Amino acid sequence: DTAVSQTPKYLVTQMGNDKSIKCEQNLGHDTMYWYKQDSKKFLKIMFSYNNKELIINETVPNRFSPKSPDKAHLNLHINSLELGDSAVYFCASSRASGNTGELFFGEGSRLTVL
Amino acid sequence: GENVEQHPSTLSVQEGDSAVIKCTYSDSASNYFPWYKQELGKGPQLIIDIRSNVGEKKDQRIAVTLNKTAKHFSLHITETQPEDSAVYFCAASISQAGTALIFGKGTTLSVSS
Repeated sequence: DTAVSQTPKYLVTQMGNDKSIKCEQNLGHDTMYWYKQDSKKFLKIMFSYNNKELIINETVPNRFSPKSPDKAHLNLHINSLELGDSAVYFCASSRASGNTGELFFGEGSRLTVL
Repeated sequence: GENVEQHPSTLSVQEGDSAVIKCTYSDSASNYFPWYKQELGKGPQLIIDIRSNVGEKKDQRIAVTLNKTAKHFSLHITETQPEDSAVYFCAASISQAGTALIFGKGTTLSVSS
């Protein structure tokens, strides 16, 4: 069973559209994250979220919003897509209590904005 | 906030040689330093980690060293094999629930046979 799964794996869309990427983890973890990996492979934290607190990286535009229907899911919704949003988006999870810091990543969702 | 610098950005070695990747961090409160390996088309996977109360840790062909005073840590891979070719990321974290890892910019390691 896949521990952290994301859908879709590939997403091609036009500028100005709104899109969502879904993430689910079956590890029983309390904390989930979204990372953005740009064309230079740089991994940058966008959000970290548990059932109590959302921590937003201040550099993330407010067009990006995480939505968590329950502890096992953290979806990423993006409004008014721009060319610069093209990247690979990774969902990850970790234990919250006694946080080791170890992240378990999904396989990524490659977003291409035309 | 934490900043992690990683060098080199690319590293090419011959099979059987050793590879060393170095990272520095800025936040003295950081106490957890993992290394991740990312293969093409995959998400990063943890390969080894070290905590601030330990100076060195080994796991078969890979080892990590930590110098808290200098705020730097390194990954050492011995007897490299072609399957070691990947992008390697160092990261740093402070021990706080929900704290995300801050990653270095990655090192692309190429091992030629």
